[in-house]
Amino acid sequence: GAVVSQHPSWVICKSGTSVKIECRSLDFQATTMFWYRQFPKQSLMLMATSNEGSKATYEQGVEKDKFLINHASLTLSTLTVTSAHPEDSSFYICSARERGAGYGYTFGSGTRLTVV
Amino acid sequence: SQKIEQNSEALNIQEGKTATLTCNYTNYSPAYLQWYRQDPGRGPVFLLLIRENEKEKRKERLKVTFDTTLKQSLFHITASQPADSATYLCALGGLPAARDDKIIFGKGTRLHILP
Repeated sequence: GAVVSQHPSWVICKSGTSVKIECRSLDFQATTMFWYRQFPKQSLMLMATSNEGSKATYEQGVEKDKFLINHASLTLSTLTVTSAHPEDSSFYICSARERGAGYGYTFGSGTRLTVV
Repeated sequence: SQKIEQNSEALNIQEGKTATLTCNYTNYSPAYLQWYRQDPGRGPVFLLLIRENEKEKRKERLKVTFDTTLKQSLFHITASQPADSATYLCALGGLPAARDDKIIFGKGTRLHILP
């Protein structure tokens, strides 16, 4: 079945630094990938939709200059959290959907970001 | 306002019984609804999809119903096992005016199957 690989699985960074998270579709091409953030005991909140070869579409309230998304190929999307602050600490998850796979989305294993 | 509500934050069920989880939504018109399983510290795993014109879908011990009049989906796990313990998320998709096929998640229900 479809596999989405997400790295790193966890990262600790200092406040003010930037962190890049990668999301790869391993055995299928994904023209669209989605980035979510999840706080403890909360729902997955969609942050942005990553479109290959074009600008990402951000959800209301998500700062596009803070959460930079690049989708340079059909198998790779990256999320960069710039000038991270402790309130950015969260669980970030990407997903993609393989066409013809019955509309189920495949999720990465998530990245636990802790900003100290 | 638009809401997706899953019946309870946590649900304890005795092993072997049927677990029933509820997903209600308000002010959405999804073309389909999905259920996912999420284990702690992991990404969700897709389980089932049911379309607006389908009443029921089954997959092994799982059964999902979808009532667009009530705006409700029920998710059943029969002959539940401790390994079924996880958080179960419902998600709405095929939303009118939604771009790029995005799906919207409920908060989830933490299911504990007691041995």
